Amino acid sequence: NAGVTQTPKFQVLKTGQSMTLQCAQDMNHEYMSWYRQDPGMGLRLIHYSVGAGITDQGEVPNGYNVSRSTTEDFPLRLLSAAPSQTSVYFCASSYWGQGAFVTEAFFGQGTRLTVV
Amino acid sequence: SQQGEEDPQALSIQEGENATMNCSYKTSINNLQWYRQNSGRGLVHLILIRSNEREKHSGRLRVTLDTSKKSSSLLITASRAADTASYFCATDSLRYGNNRLAFGKGNQVVVIP
Repeated sequence: NAGVTQTPKFQVLKTGQSMTLQCAQDMNHEYMSWYRQDPGMGLRLIHYSVGAGITDQGEVPNGYNVSRSTTEDFPLRLLSAAPSQTSVYFCASSYWGQGAFVTEAFFGQGTRLTVV
Repeated sequence: SQQGEEDPQALSIQEGENATMNCSYKTSINNLQWYRQNSGRGLVHLILIRSNEREKHSGRLRVTLDTSKKSSSLLITASRAADTASYFCATDSLRYGNNRLAFGKGNQVVVIP
């Protein structure tokens, strides 16, 4: 199994450009999420999805859009890149535990994004 | 806001010693999890403890959970150089009718050979 696959691994954008970070999982997990990791800030939740067709905002959603048309894919779109979006982005997927709560999260290897 | 907060933020120990990290949280949880992150890599799940459990073991790892104090600790016994990493606690949350997995800021652990 490939697990969670993120592409690209590295990206440099100019301010104002848009792009999509791809995330795919092959574990049939219902729950998928996007985080950004900044020095000293830990991981902050951007958006998440509890199943195909359902998405919700996390802690820091501004400037990002997501969609979940299939169980496998959960792309993150940067609408108009800003230097403040320079960060490492992680996608994760989980299955629902008994009683409907988030269990073990499987992470991709991350996308290091620089906005200049 | 961050749900989990680890303490201490950085820890340096000799190989063979034990390492202890603490995590506090604010709201009711279903479970608490610990993750490890090696430099430049994604996070790897270590252990999950449910809200009705008080202690759990996995190899050299021991996790405790005190829901009355809203805190957890991770103990790594007989540390090895390969344990050098950042360690994060994460909790789920029932805010807004859905579950979110929220991470703390992490503990950097350096094990000196």
